[in-house]
Amino acid sequence: EAGVAQSPRYKIIEKRQSVAFWCNPISGHATLYWYQQILGQGPKLLIQFQNNGVVDDSQLPKDRFSAERLKGVDSTLKIQPAKLEDSAVYLCASSFGVANTEAFFGQGTRLTVV
Amino acid sequence: GQQLNQSPQSMFIQEGEDVSMNCTSSSIFNTWLWYKQDPGEGPVLLIALYKAGELTSNGRLTAQFGITRKDSFLNISASIPSDVGIYFCAGPLSNAGNMLTFGGGTRLMVKP
Repeated sequence: EAGVAQSPRYKIIEKRQSVAFWCNPISGHATLYWYQQILGQGPKLLIQFQNNGVVDDSQLPKDRFSAERLKGVDSTLKIQPAKLEDSAVYLCASSFGVANTEAFFGQGTRLTVV
Repeated sequence: GQQLNQSPQSMFIQEGEDVSMNCTSSSIFNTWLWYKQDPGEGPVLLIALYKAGELTSNGRLTAQFGITRKDSFLNISASIPSDVGIYFCAGPLSNAGNMLTFGGGTRLMVKP
């Protein structure tokens, strides 16, 4: 069974530029999560989708971050404009359902904002 | 703020020793998950716990769901160098739409 796929693996951008990350969850998984992991910390949930609907986005900085999962499968996370403090690893995860929270993670995208 | 508190923050042990770490919260959890993260990789699920008092093993790893439902423990027996990594506890916050929340992690270092 294929795991969660993310791209790109690495991205370096200048502050005020925009960037987008892509995630393809495990086939059949209805719930998709985007996490931000700053060096030395645990993953922090940014947004949680159930199919193509948002379950929770209370920790997403909506002035600069946006995410979508239009067809209930792939998802993109965008940052515009980026700030230095956005430097982190962005992890995508998926699980079978909201009740089944055994989430499986991709390798992440390491973003460096300079 | 951080809903899950992990301790210790880091451990440096000798190969062959047993390890114990825990995770506590002021909130009640119905599920506890333990993950391990290697450098440059995403977290990998080790053990999932669903019932208060439950004790579950996965090889040399054993985890327990605290009876108060506010804590969980992970033990590693006879540690080996490949156990090095960061161990995270996680759980869905039932009072927050089942947001899957992570602790700050315990960094384990093993000396051969």
